[in-house]
Amino acid sequence: DVKVTQSSRYLVKRTGEKVFLECVQDMDHENMFWYRQDPGLGLRLIYFSYDVKMKEKGDIPEGYSVSREKKERFSLILESASTNQTSMYLCASSLWDQETQYFGPGTRLLVL
Amino acid sequence: GENVEQHPSTLSVQEGDSAVIKCTYSDSASNYFPWYKQELGKGPQLIIDIRSNVGEKKDQRIAVTLNKTAKHFSLHITETQPEDSAVYFCAATTNTGNQFYFGTGTSLTVIP
Repeated sequence: DVKVTQSSRYLVKRTGEKVFLECVQDMDHENMFWYRQDPGLGLRLIYFSYDVKMKEKGDIPEGYSVSREKKERFSLILESASTNQTSMYLCASSLWDQETQYFGPGTRLLVL
Repeated sequence: GENVEQHPSTLSVQEGDSAVIKCTYSDSASNYFPWYKQELGKGPQLIIDIRSNVGEKKDQRIAVTLNKTAKHFSLHITETQPEDSAVYFCAATTNTGNQFYFGTGTSLTVIP
């Protein structure tokens, strides 16, 4: 079974802090994704990566950056956290394009 | 880009009844349509998917239908059980990239 793990289930941070969310997949998948999930808005893509050191902006990249130094690990960085970044963050991976995405359990981030 | 609309946003059914969730998409190039189930406190999990060369797919109590002409697809759950209670998301992706476009979700409640 594919396993996608996220470093934290819950995080509480202060406005202006730098926040790192980490995601690891164990199935040698090429693609990895970061989404945020908000009530009534569904899942919105922040960034994705199709290879090591490669990244593409999704629909809502503002205020976020990403890093993929190793194939199995994809990090989401909030350079200076703001209250409007309070959300559920979901990581996913897929073997190839147009293939099933497998999701991690999510990180619920609260920015005070 | 692709736009996926999902209805209804909430759905309550009696145990044993059927549930139907509908999605429409805008890009005629979309060719892969997965459905995800998200239980409380967990990440979305794939429950069924369909590709554009197929009109219907069934897996036990779950079925998905696709109408390419009308650009809509539907999830059908028969003989619903309380454990079917969750949020369901549809998604679509085109043949030109690896981005999934998600609907806004349907919260299904099965009343015992």
